[in-house]
Amino acid sequence: AQSVTQLGSHVSVSEGALVLLRCNYSSSVPPYLFWYVQYPNQGLQLLLKYTTGATLVKGINGFEAEFKKSETSFHLTKPSAHMSDAAEYFCAVSVGSSNTGKLIFGQGTTLQVKP
Amino acid sequence: DAGITQSPRHKVTETGTPVTLRCHQTENHRYMYWYRQDPGHGLRLIHYSYGVKDTDKGEVSDGYSVSRSKTEDFLLTLESATSSQTSVYFCAIRTGTGVNSPLHFGNGTRLTVT
Repeated sequence: AQSVTQLGSHVSVSEGALVLLRCNYSSSVPPYLFWYVQYPNQGLQLLLKYTTGATLVKGINGFEAEFKKSETSFHLTKPSAHMSDAAEYFCAVSVGSSNTGKLIFGQGTTLQVKP
Repeated sequence: DAGITQSPRHKVTETGTPVTLRCHQTENHRYMYWYRQDPGHGLRLIHYSYGVKDTDKGEVSDGYSVSRSKTEDFLLTLESATSSQTSVYFCAIRTGTGVNSPLHFGNGTRLTVT
């Protein structure tokens, strides 16, 4: 069965520092992977997705993620953190057939950005 | 904006009472989902729908039922609310046709069961 594990429920970085949020997945079939961001009192917003093709995926707000099959990882990075990046981030894997398209989510990582 | 409206946005109810949450979409997409969000658990799927009157259970469906009588509306009902159902509930839709299509989420309903 597919699953997602996000390492670290809280990550704190200084403004301007590298952001690295870790995600590992388990899947018996080639996975489709997603990163979402959630700002306080809002719904989830898609940051980026990996389906097939290029393993380095660029998303919105300067974020990118690299799919590494050998490591079953899909870590999210941003070279320089901004105060506005403070939010909760969720990694997700798509499961099921085209008739369902369900997403399984990780537990979430709260990113704190210090001035 | 994928045109998703959840109502109500906030609700406080007492244990044992029935509660219905509504998700409305404006774009006639086929696939709709209900998730609940709890600290430390991320989002967990409650039920989903793949068409009018076509629904199925997710991983945490106990105590919940759903209905979809029109394409645009997906209702989540707690038949007899319990304190363990205090949570934030999100509706989502899939706008694409493939399993690699992302979900788009509403702004959530915060439910408190006292």
